Parts: sequence; structure tokens; C-alpha cells
Amino acid sequence: DTGVSQDPRHKITKRGQNVTFRCDPISEHNRLYWYRQTLGQGPEFLTYFQNEAQLEKSRLLSDRFSAERPKGSFSTLEIQRTEQGDSAMYLCASSRNVGVTVHNEKLFFGSGTQLSVL
Amino acid sequence: AQTVTQSQPEMSVQEAETVTLSCTYDTSESDYYLFWYKQPPSRQMILVIRQEAYKQQNATENRFSVNFQKAAKSFSLKISDSQLGDAAMYFCAYRRVSGYALNFGKGTSLLVTP
Repeated sequence: DTGVSQDPRHKITKRGQNVTFRCDPISEHNRLYWYRQTLGQGPEFLTYFQNEAQLEKSRLLSDRFSAERPKGSFSTLEIQRTEQGDSAMYLCASSRNVGVTVHNEKLFFGSGTQLSVL
Repeated sequence: AQTVTQSQPEMSVQEAETVTLSCTYDTSESDYYLFWYKQPPSRQMILVIRQEAYKQQNATENRFSVNFQKAAKSFSLKISDSQLGDAAMYFCAYRRVSGYALNFGKGTSLLVTP
């Protein structure tokens, strides 16, 4: 168990550029979440995958944001035409749950990707 | 929408002492889950303790315990015998039974002094 891995750890980009982040969940974890955390705030939910299916997206996830989880393993989060307001830490979390409902599952978080848009 | 409020931006405790972090939430649901997560400087969120709303008994995990007051919509975290390694941001979070998203509060920064 190597934990949830996120890459890169830091990303600096210019406004208008596209960026892509990668998350590798813990092996055999079928559930994967993306959260965004700005300075002085708690994480905000962005999206949720169960295996390869994206089952829920927050209204925070504008059409400039897209997330994928091909084959139900790693996931990518892409931000197109970045804006300064996109500067934040992007957290990935995973869990393993064989049931239909989420219940009080324990999420395992990665260390995040810190995005700075200049 | 459910909101989670942590009214203490910062708290300080001496090593070996006890500290209580406050959390209140707003919901119209009768069943839900509550969590406390710890975020050290490494940024990795770690689950500290969790509580099912339908359980009246307060959850405990070693030195960590909660005081869950459902009618008051209050969910405080008590850390006993505080250790230097407890220093971190602590986030209270709420999740609906049928939902996927965790709703987090703004966090409380805990400082532990020797």
C-alpha cells in the first residue's frame, strides 16, 4: 500500500494555458474523488468516480474542467484556459467499498497538486 | 445545502493537556455521517474519527473522542493527552447518507506547545 499518489506536486502556469493533473489511487480502490482547496478554506468536492464511471459532478466543475478515469485505475483532471481563480490545491482521494451505498467510508487522500496561475 | 461551521480559527494547547475543537452543522436530514479530518503540513488529509448520526453513542479512537449532540447539531472533537504530533489543521465534515461529497468546514489550526 503506497498511498494515493498525485503528480505533479506543484504546477505554475500562465493564465490561458491548459493543465492536467494525475492521480493514482491505492490499488483496488474502486472509488475516486477530486477536491479543491483554496487558502484558508476546507476542501470542496469536485467530482466522484466509481470505477470508470463519473457519477457526480459539483457545480464548481465548470465546462473548463474535465476529469477522466479510463479503465477505472488512475484519474486525470484537466483545466482548460486557466484563470487566476483556479489557483488552489487539488486533492485526490480514494476508497474501497464493495457495497452500493457510500456509508461512512474512510477516504485516503493524496498530498495534492498545488496550482498557481500567474 | 448542508453547511459546516468551525468557529475557532486557531486553538492552542499544552502538551499532555486536553483540548476541544468545536463544529456545528446545518441540515434537514435525519440520518447522515460526521467526520473529523487532520491535515498536517504535509497536506495529506487523514481521517481522525467518524460518527453515524443514528448512533447515540459518541465515537472514540484512542486519545480522540467526540461529543455528538444531534438536537443541537453539534459535533466537537476532544483530544486528550495532546502530543506535539497533533499540531495540524483539523476539519469537520458532513456527508449525506445518499451522497458522495464531503462538506468541510473552514478548519481549526491547532498549535501544541511543549
